[in-house]
Amino acid sequence: GENVEQHPSTLSVQEGDSAVIKCTYSDSASNYFPWYKQELGKGPQLIIDIRSNVGEKKDQRIAVTLNKTAKHFSLHITETQPEDSAVYFCAARPYSSASKIIFGSGTRLSIRP
Amino acid sequence: DTAVSQTPKYLVTQMGNDKSIKCEQNLGHDTMYWYKQDSKKFLKIMFSYNNKELIINETVPNRFSPKSPDKAHLNLHINSLELGDSAVYFCASSPAGANNEQFFGPGTRLTVL
Repeated sequence: GENVEQHPSTLSVQEGDSAVIKCTYSDSASNYFPWYKQELGKGPQLIIDIRSNVGEKKDQRIAVTLNKTAKHFSLHITETQPEDSAVYFCAARPYSSASKIIFGSGTRLSIRP
Repeated sequence: DTAVSQTPKYLVTQMGNDKSIKCEQNLGHDTMYWYKQDSKKFLKIMFSYNNKELIINETVPNRFSPKSPDKAHLNLHINSLELGDSAVYFCASSPAGANNEQFFGPGTRLTVL
């Protein structure tokens, strides 16, 4: 089955700097890759997603890149702000499942003032 | 208005007891899910229902029994609670079809003593 690995597990960056979180997946047929942000005491919330027919997608300060050959995808946050502090999860949807997504292990991002 | 709601938010109980967690969504979605998040923040899907029918059932002990009285509700009943059941349980919903955003509830923190 699909396996998603996420690195790093914790990340601390200076406010205003960029943050990058990387994920790899095992099922080459996976075709949907969402990213979720989980703030303290809340449920995860989708922040951006990318489909397998696209290599890059950007939404204001957030961008995601996908390398299907290497089975890598990454989240880039530029000009980080204190409200970006949260746990971020990457995920992948296996081709074999219409509804199931497999989550990575999460990255705790801290923004230093 | 709350999109996906769960009750209770906190649940503290003794080993061996039976407890239920309720979930309701007012988004008109066809698919609902239960996830378990352990102390290391790892998110794992347990069950998924589409229009009241079970479509995903991961390797979850049969002490866990989901029940969907209608497509807006998915409740989770747990029998004979064990220490290892302590976790945060999230309900989520999404529109039918692949590659759709999942909307998560606020979570229920279950502590088994």
